[in-house]
Amino acid sequence: GENVEQHPSTLSVQEGDSAVIKCTYSDSASNYFPWYKQELGKRPQLIIDIRSNVGEKKDQRIAVTLNKTAKHFSLHITETQPEDSAVYFCAASRGGATNKLIFGTGTLLAVQP
Amino acid sequence: DAGITQSPRYKITETGRQVTLMCHQTWSHSYMFWYRQDLGHGLRLIYYSAAADITDKGEVPDGYVVSRSKTENFPLTLESATRSQTSVYFCASSPPSLAGGRNEQFFGPGTRLTVL
Repeated sequence: GENVEQHPSTLSVQEGDSAVIKCTYSDSASNYFPWYKQELGKRPQLIIDIRSNVGEKKDQRIAVTLNKTAKHFSLHITETQPEDSAVYFCAASRGGATNKLIFGTGTLLAVQP
Repeated sequence: DAGITQSPRYKITETGRQVTLMCHQTWSHSYMFWYRQDLGHGLRLIYYSAAADITDKGEVPDGYVVSRSKTENFPLTLESATRSQTSVYFCASSPPSLAGGRNEQFFGPGTRLTVL
């Protein structure tokens, strides 16, 4: 079945620096790649997503890139702020009849003031 | 999001007991999902449902049972709880994905279950 690997498991950056989280997926039929943010004690929430027909997508300080050939995608956060501190999950999906998401194991991002 | 709720929010039970976690959504989303979240494992899919009376196994279904008689409810039952089922359980829902559209899942607040 589909497998999604995520690295690093923890990431500490200084406020204002950039952060990059990387994921690889195994199912070449995957066509949808969302990123979820989970603050401490809260539920996961979608922050950005990308479809396989697009190589890059930006939304203010966050961006996601996709390399279909290599089957990997990355989350980039620029000008990090303390409120960016959270656990970030990547996921992959074939879409279709099930809408299933397979999640990575998460990255704990700590932004030091 | 008030649209998807879970109950109870916290539950302590003993090994061997049956436990049911409830999930209710008000959006009439066709898809619903149950995940468990454990440190080092991220979010793992237990069961999912594409519509009322249609359910299927996810990655880690053993020891769990689901049903979906109504679109808005998707209860998860642990038939005979084990310590390894101590976890945080999240329910999620999503509308059908449109071609080329967003496939967003909306998560409930979670249930923290402890099995002693």
